[in-house]
Amino acid sequence: ETGVTQTPRHLVMGMTNKKSLKCEQHLGHNAMYWYKQSAKKPLELMFVYNFKEQTENNSVPSRFSPECPNSSHLFLHLHTLQPEDSALYLCASSQDSGGSSVAFFGQGTRLTVV
Amino acid sequence: GENVEQHPSTLSVQEGDSAVIKCTYSDSASNYFPWYKQELGKRPQLIIDIRSNVGEKKDQRIAVTLNKTAKHFSLHITETQPEDSAVYFCAASRGGATNKLIFGTGTLLAVQP
Repeated sequence: ETGVTQTPRHLVMGMTNKKSLKCEQHLGHNAMYWYKQSAKKPLELMFVYNFKEQTENNSVPSRFSPECPNSSHLFLHLHTLQPEDSALYLCASSQDSGGSSVAFFGQGTRLTVV
Repeated sequence: GENVEQHPSTLSVQEGDSAVIKCTYSDSASNYFPWYKQELGKRPQLIIDIRSNVGEKKDQRIAVTLNKTAKHFSLHITETQPEDSAVYFCAASRGGATNKLIFGTGTLLAVQP
């Protein structure tokens, strides 16, 4: 275990549903990230939080809403998603978001939008 | 914008042979280059990284080389074993205020026993 835990591991939701993904890290890191992994595409950075403050929003549609209540927890709230949003959503954390600190990933949530 | 190109997309080698995966990056300010290994159904895990102040780094059977002038870096795996089979991702980052890792598209490595 790398100390980054994501729940749920799998999620199937309809386009009108509202759901949330959760990420928790026990590494004492200050920076947390959401990535989207689709088939045959690079890992896409979605959001960056540093000391609970959002420092990066990589042009993500508003139907994805992140929340970072503290440095250990990160959520991704989902609503009115589209089938093309189906993907593996990976959370990561690092000591800080400056410099070149190593990122540790969670196992991911496999999301299917029907 | 910044992007990282990775080749090949798939690579099949015989056990014991070497494997080389190459990446090129567009942002000349990039100074940190990690490589991640993702086994089927598992999370990406860092296997080796290199910073711009060195040209080569080695860790047992794995090595990474960096050519800053040409803006490319490569992963070398020697004496491949079946457990090396996975998807390998390269990434580049310029550090700074946000550790924005830009990933390549991945290489599926299959080591045939």
